[in-house]
Amino acid sequence: DGGITQSPKYLFRKEGQNVTLSCEQNLNHDAMYWYRQDPGQGLRLIYYSQIVNDFQKGDIAEGYSVSREKKESFPLTVTSAQKNPTAFYLCASSSSPGQIIYGYTFGSGTRLTVV
Amino acid sequence: ILNVEQSPQSLHVQEGDSTNFTCSFPSSNFYALHWYRWETAKSPEALFVMTLNGDEKKKGRISATLNTKEGYSYLYIKGSQPEDSATYLCAFRHDYKLSFGAGTTVTVRA
Repeated sequence: DGGITQSPKYLFRKEGQNVTLSCEQNLNHDAMYWYRQDPGQGLRLIYYSQIVNDFQKGDIAEGYSVSREKKESFPLTVTSAQKNPTAFYLCASSSSPGQIIYGYTFGSGTRLTVV
Repeated sequence: ILNVEQSPQSLHVQEGDSTNFTCSFPSSNFYALHWYRWETAKSPEALFVMTLNGDEKKKGRISATLNTKEGYSYLYIKGSQPEDSATYLCAFRHDYKLSFGAGTTVTVRA
């Protein structure tokens, strides 16, 4: 079955360490997105990529970095510069950035806790 | 950051009752309005993508309407069932990306 796989489901890291969250899709989608959820807030866009080897900052990109070397993969690195990294992270994809008929497909998320 | 508001934040419904809730979004530069259902421990699932003013979409007992001129959409659940318990997210499409509301969490009591 096609879908998006995020790993791991839960991640614990010490303050000051960088950590990379994995997102892989086998839907042949062009566009991929990273969102962050905090209690009581909507999903906030961190980074997005419309095609391979290209990505743009979202609304809250500070302290995060991404790469898009393959169509299937869009890993997110949470760096030590991110002041409040503990959150739930969701990855999503869509068939093409200009396609507005279909919704996004989401992964099941990674809960990151920094201690 | 575009402002997408959902109300109420949460609601409790008796099984069999109908309910509705609101999503408000900017009325200018409209491309599309998405609705998602997010059940606990699962991934958000797309319900509707609405693109035209006056659009009405239906999926089983769930339906949605859209008013782009005034910037709001309603989602309706008819004859609520326990399996309808979830958080319902709306998202406003702009510049090839989505801005999400905080969601309305629906709890259906048997």
